[in-house]
Amino acid sequence: DAGVTQSPTHLIKTRGQQVTLRCSPKSGHDTVSWYQQALGQGPQFIFQYYEEEERQRGNFPDRFSGHQFPNYSSELNVNALLLGDSALYLCASSFGDSNEKLFFGSGTQLSVL
Amino acid sequence: QKEVEQNSGPLSVPEGAIASLNCTYSDRGSQSFFWYRQYSGKSPELIMFIYSNGDKEDGRFTAQLNKASQYVSLLIRDSQPSDSATYLCAVLFSGGYNKLIFGAGTRLAVHP
Repeated sequence: DAGVTQSPTHLIKTRGQQVTLRCSPKSGHDTVSWYQQALGQGPQFIFQYYEEEERQRGNFPDRFSGHQFPNYSSELNVNALLLGDSALYLCASSFGDSNEKLFFGSGTQLSVL
Repeated sequence: QKEVEQNSGPLSVPEGAIASLNCTYSDRGSQSFFWYRQYSGKSPELIMFIYSNGDKEDGRFTAQLNKASQYVSLLIRDSQPSDSATYLCAVLFSGGYNKLIFGAGTRLAVHP
């Protein structure tokens, strides 16, 4: 039973560029949430996708956008990268829109230079 | 006031002792509470969840919840060096579609 998979594992970008991160949820899960975790901090909620729609959003600017595909996989896009966007980006999946009992992928470490 | 607050630590305990990790939250309407463990360089792993006031035990772990005080805690009995990690408290905030809010985490160090 495959868990949550994310790609790529590491990424280096420069300021102003854009990036796309990918996530496949755990088998049987249909909801994907994205979190940003800066060093020494807890994960910060970016947004949640359910039934291919953004259902909830945290305090992140519009530079952060996403998409969910019919197979429940998801993408996180970040435009106009800033140095402060450097962080571990975590994808978490769950069943239904309750957002409970999240299972996390191993994350994508993004470095913006 | 932060939505979910934890002491950052580090909390240092000797092997075999009880480690006590605490968390407070701001949303009185919250009904679901979670503890995640995160090893350095790894992703968070769910270890406990609790919905009702009182204690919930699972092996060496006990979660305690007091909704009136907006307080949730995690006890780790017979602490082992392998328990050394950051423990994240997460609260499912109510209102509209629920969202899981994490604290900054408490770093636990268990020394032999």
